[in-house]
Amino acid sequence: KNEVEQSPQNLTAQEGEFITINCSYSVGISALHWLQQHPGGGIVSLFMLSSGKKKHGRLIATINIQEKHSSLHITASHPRDSAVYICAVRGSGGGADGLTFGKGTHLIIQP
Amino acid sequence: KAGVTQTPRYLIKTRGQQVTLSCSPISGHRSVSWYQQTPGQGLQFLFEYFSETQRNKGNFPGRFSGRQFSNSRSEMNVSTLELGDSALYLCASSLASVVSGYNEQFFGPGTRLTVL
Repeated sequence: KNEVEQSPQNLTAQEGEFITINCSYSVGISALHWLQQHPGGGIVSLFMLSSGKKKHGRLIATINIQEKHSSLHITASHPRDSAVYICAVRGSGGGADGLTFGKGTHLIIQP
Repeated sequence: KAGVTQTPRYLIKTRGQQVTLSCSPISGHRSVSWYQQTPGQGLQFLFEYFSETQRNKGNFPGRFSGRQFSNSRSEMNVSTLELGDSALYLCASSLASVVSGYNEQFFGPGTRLTVL
């Protein structure tokens, strides 16, 4: 069973700061997802990665398969980025166990 | 294109009762996965249905079950409710089965179940 660790658990920053959230996992995967959850519960899929780097607007996600590590970066952070960011992985054995989730990073961006 | 919808959004039940939650996937999506989210355990995978067949299942007791209909809509059922079943239940749809590996999932708003 894959273990997914996220850091930090909580992060408070000022508007405009560069934000980095980290995710480490214990065994090989077929894909890694970064999800965003706002108060109220709705989850939005931000990225799905199996290698390299993806960018969408101010968000950048990278993955290092050898290191079993991924990072989510937010440039020029804004109060609307305040949310819980969740890393989830799918095992390399065909995904028979579904997604395994990290505990999430609670991000607050203060104006 | 309409997103994933879940009904009801909120539900209050008492211990021992059973409950059925519904999920309608994005049109054209054939896979529906269900997840439970609690403050203590976070998000956990329940099961996935694809083309009316359960493809995989998480580590939950048999009280949790589901099914998928020919139009890809899915229901999950929890029998003999316990206090610990209070949670946000989320479903997510994707085009193909998540067992095939690389597959983006689109989440619904969730059903918040409270068991008294």
